[in-house]
Amino acid sequence: EAQVTQNPRYLITVTGKKLTVTCSQNMNHEYMSWYRQDPGLGLRQIYYSMNVEVTDKGDVPEGYKVSRKEKRNFPLILESPSPNQTSLYFCASSLWHSGANVLTFGAGSRLTVL
Amino acid sequence: AQKITQTQPGMFVQEKEAVTLDCTYDTSDPSYGLFWYKQPSSGEMIFLIYQGSYDQQNATEGRYSLNFQKARKSANLVISASQLGDSAMYFCAMREGSSSARQLTFGSGTQLTVLP
Repeated sequence: EAQVTQNPRYLITVTGKKLTVTCSQNMNHEYMSWYRQDPGLGLRQIYYSMNVEVTDKGDVPEGYKVSRKEKRNFPLILESPSPNQTSLYFCASSLWHSGANVLTFGAGSRLTVL
Repeated sequence: AQKITQTQPGMFVQEKEAVTLDCTYDTSDPSYGLFWYKQPSSGEMIFLIYQGSYDQQNATEGRYSLNFQKARKSANLVISASQLGDSAMYFCAMREGSSSARQLTFGSGTQLTVLP
């Protein structure tokens, strides 16, 4: 089944404890992206990647890192999480050459930072 | 300025009736795409419908149609014959430019509740 898989789905952590949210897609998509969803704000882009070893900042990149060493994987790294990073996170991917750029989303990862 | 505006935080509709969810957008790029996604209470994001700026006709997908008024910069989602399963958060989004690498900008969403 074509899908974007995120892990963990739920995580409670403490301030300053590094964590990684993994994202993997099996559709051979070129483009991958991370969003965070907060009430009243919709989804805001954190980082995106147009291909392997090519990443760029979205609207809210502060406090996050990403890497794209392989086409299928795009992990989101929080080096020193803070409570304002408590949010619902989505990984998404799409075909590079898709004119409609329909993003396929993962199921979401709900992160709580205490 | 907000690029995507959804002015209805919440909407109610009676089962089997039609409902329109509003979306206005702001761009100076002549090439853009407009999307609607549905987010049920389970949290996943489900793509519903797409409209390109150069498309001559309004997009339709089953019970979903997009009322695209380019001069007004609006892209309202119309759901016909509402079902209880349509209760969800709905997001309007826009991609500017012809490159598929551009990000999607999302509105703040409309929570739709279908009443039995």
